[in-house]
This record gives sequence, C-alpha cells and structure tokens, in this order.
Amino acid sequence: GNSVTQMEGPVTLSEEAFLTINCTYTATGYPSLFWYVQYPGEGLQLLLKATKADDKGSNKGFEATYRKETTSFHLEKGSVQVSDSAVYFCAPDYGQNFVFGPGTRLSVLP
Amino acid sequence: EAEVAQSPRYKITEKSQAVAFWCDPISGHATLYWYRQILGQGPELLVQFQDESVVDDSQLPKDRFSAERLKGVDSTLKIQPAELGDSAMYLCASSLSTDTQYFGPGTRLTVL
Repeated sequence: GNSVTQMEGPVTLSEEAFLTINCTYTATGYPSLFWYVQYPGEGLQLLLKATKADDKGSNKGFEATYRKETTSFHLEKGSVQVSDSAVYFCAPDYGQNFVFGPGTRLSVLP
Repeated sequence: EAEVAQSPRYKITEKSQAVAFWCDPISGHATLYWYRQILGQGPELLVQFQDESVVDDSQLPKDRFSAERLKGVDSTLKIQPAELGDSAMYLCASSLSTDTQYFGPGTRLTVL
C-alpha cells in the first residue's frame, strides 16, 4: 500500500542552525505532497505543499522540492528559530487518501 | 480566517462509558475527515465524508465507533463503550475537494 518514510527524531538544533528533515514516499501514482506542522497541544497546520514534479513549496522560511526521480520531499530551513520547535509531518495525498508519516520532533535551543 | 471547530477540547471518561466529539468544518467544505492520533505517532484516518455520505470508513472500528454527518455540515464521532486503548487525540479536518486539509485543534481523550 501507499506509505511514507520520515527521518526519525527527535532532532535537536541550536538557533540559526540549518535544518533538513528527510521524507520519501511510495511511487504509486502521482501524489500531491504536503508538510504539516503541529505545535504542542494543537492540531496540524499546513506548512507547505507541492503538486507536481520539481515544484518547490515554501512558507515561513521552510522549503521542500518535489523530487519525482528520488520520490522525496525533504524539508529544509536555512536558519531555525526557537519558535520552530514542533512536530513536522510529511503527507503525500494519493487522491482520496492522505498518508501521514510518523512525524519528526524538532527542538531548537536558544 | 475560517477555522475548523471541535469540542470538547479535552475529555476524561471511564472505560465502558460513551463519549461523543463534535466537529464543525470550514463553511463550504464538502469533505470532512476524522483522524485518531496516538501520542508520538502520525494521524490515522478513521472516516471520510463527502457531504453526508461516507467515502471511506475502512479503518473505523465499527463495533464501538460510529460517525455521522446528517446534513452534510457538522459531524459527530461517538465511541461506545470506550476502552483504555482509545486514549488519543481525535482530529477533525475539512477540505474543498481532495486537496489541502485544514485541521481543527483536536479533542484529547483520556480513558481511565
């Protein structure tokens, strides 16, 4: 079945460090790709998305590029802030079926 | 900005009791989803509605869980009887079609 694999956490970084969270998905069909973020005690918020190959989604300094050849959608940010501490979920959308990864917890230390 | 509303935010119940959660999607969103999120894991789809019709309930434990969206707007998810393993965050989301899903704040259920 359809699945997604995410980099295991937790990830702990110092403020202003570079962030990469890896995500790969199964290549069934041509899914739209999403990153959601969940702050403590809250629901999920859409962070960014990409709907076709080579598209780059971006928001709040985060970026991810739809790489069809490697079935990947890695999340990056050049300089993280303490306020970025949260759990990040990669989620391919296979039409009627969203599949969420297990989430990667990010802690940014001042 | 329009939001998905859920209530209650927190619910504590004893096992074998009945519980119900309510969700009001963003106005105009035809598709509504209920997810269960166990602590430390990603959300798992329980049921998906298109208007008032169930599109997918293959992961809904139908012996104890039920969901309805009678008028195609708000929705209720019920558990009866609750079990210890049902302790989790229950998330509701809505979307215009099958694109971006917008999530509510969730209901955290604790079963004692």
